[in-house]
Amino acid sequence: EPEVTQTPSHQVTQMGQEVILRCVPISNHLYFYWYRQILGQKVEFLVSFYNNEISEKSEIFDDQFSVERPDGSNFTLKIRSTKLEDSAMYFCASSEHSRYFGPGTRLTVT
Amino acid sequence: EDKVVQSPLSLVVHEGDTVTLNCSYEVTNFRSLLWYKQEKKAPTFLFMLTSSGIEKKSGRLSSILDKKELFSILNITATQTGDSAIYLCAWGSGTYKYIFGTGTRLKVLA
Repeated sequence: EPEVTQTPSHQVTQMGQEVILRCVPISNHLYFYWYRQILGQKVEFLVSFYNNEISEKSEIFDDQFSVERPDGSNFTLKIRSTKLEDSAMYFCASSEHSRYFGPGTRLTVT
Repeated sequence: EDKVVQSPLSLVVHEGDTVTLNCSYEVTNFRSLLWYKQEKKAPTFLFMLTSSGIEKKSGRLSSILDKKELFSILNITATQTGDSAIYLCAWGSGTYKYIFGTGTRLKVLA
C-alpha cells in the first residue's frame, strides 16, 4: 500500500533556530495536512493545503510557520524561530480526508 | 470555538468484552467524522462517516454517526489484546480542517 513518508524521524534544535520538516505525500493525492501532537496531548490541526495554497489554518499556525510544495513531490513545514513549546511530534497527512498519516517527526527544542 | 469530546478517557476490559467509545462535538459547518487508532506513533485510519444512521463496519469494529444529536460511537466486539490503543475521533469542519478529541485509551487484558 502506498504510504506517506517523513524526514527526519527526529530533529533536535536550539531555541531560535529554523527547522524544516519534510513530507512526501502519496503521489496522486492533492490534499495535504500538518498536525502536531505534544507528548501526552491530543493531535492538533495546523494547516491544510490544496492546489498549492493553504486551505485552512489553525490559530497555532502563526507567522512563525510556513508550508511549501517546493518541487511537486515534497511538502514542507518550516518553523522560523523555534521555541521550547514547539517540541512535539509533527505529522503530515495526505488524501482529501486526512486519511493517511506519515510516521511523524519528533522535534525537540532545547 | 469548535470542540470535540471523547468518553470515557480510559477503559480497561478483558479479552472478549465489547466496548463502546463515544465522541461528541460542537463543530460549525460539519463535513465528516473520522475515527483513528493510535498505537505507538501515527494514527491509522479506521472509518470516515458523513451521513447519519449508516453504520460502517470493518471486522469487529463498527461506527455510526448521529448528526442531529451531534455524536458518534465506535464499537469493538470480542476485544483482543491487539486492540489496546488510543482511539481518536476527528470532526471535519469548514474547508479541510479536522479537530481531534483527546482520545480514549483502551487497554485489553488477556
